Amino acid sequence: GQNIDQPTEMTATEGAIVQINCTYQTSGFNGLFWYQQHAGEAPTFLSYNVLDGLEEKGRFSSFLSRSKGYSYLLLKELQMKDSASYLCAVMDSNYQLIWGAGTKLIIKP
Amino acid sequence: ETGVTQTPRHLVMGMTNKKSLKCEQHLGHNAMYWYKQSAKKPLELMFVYNFKEQTENNSVPSRFSPECPNSSHLFLHLHTLQPEDSALYLCASSRLERDHTDTQYFGPGTRLTVL
Repeated sequence: GQNIDQPTEMTATEGAIVQINCTYQTSGFNGLFWYQQHAGEAPTFLSYNVLDGLEEKGRFSSFLSRSKGYSYLLLKELQMKDSASYLCAVMDSNYQLIWGAGTKLIIKP
Repeated sequence: ETGVTQTPRHLVMGMTNKKSLKCEQHLGHNAMYWYKQSAKKPLELMFVYNFKEQTENNSVPSRFSPECPNSSHLFLHLHTLQPEDSALYLCASSRLERDHTDTQYFGPGTRLTVL
């Protein structure tokens, strides 16, 4: 079956750096997405990786290793507003998104 | 604001009620989706419409009935629901391009509680 694993919850300190990992086993691969979802709000698109390597976008970076079935989202200079759930999703060979359960990130002052 | 709106934002209904959820996208997209989001579980894809035609129905019970009158509007009709159907129902849209840039954009969801 298809599976996406990510930690359920993480805690980090304001101003610090946090890395949220995602491992996947899917039928084919057409890219990996990261979304941010604040409580009670819509998931919003953060990043997309289809080739191996690091994509940097301001304070957020996303890394992909297709051979390892692994990605991470790196958040730098954490701010209180970064407290949210972070969803990892992989597009499989049928162009369907397979979702992880999300990682709830708690930022402490 | 993602360009996808959903109404109502909150809904409480009894098991014998009939209600409808509405989604509208203002992005000019050609694909629309219904997802169910339950606590600590992955998003569950329910229905997909491409150019107003339903292309996916992931074994969703018949008490959920989708309707897509045009590319901008999507409805989910609900009847005789069960308490386990209580969840956040998310609508999404995408351009529908068979390449790596077919990003889905989500509405804020309808929080449904079935009593």
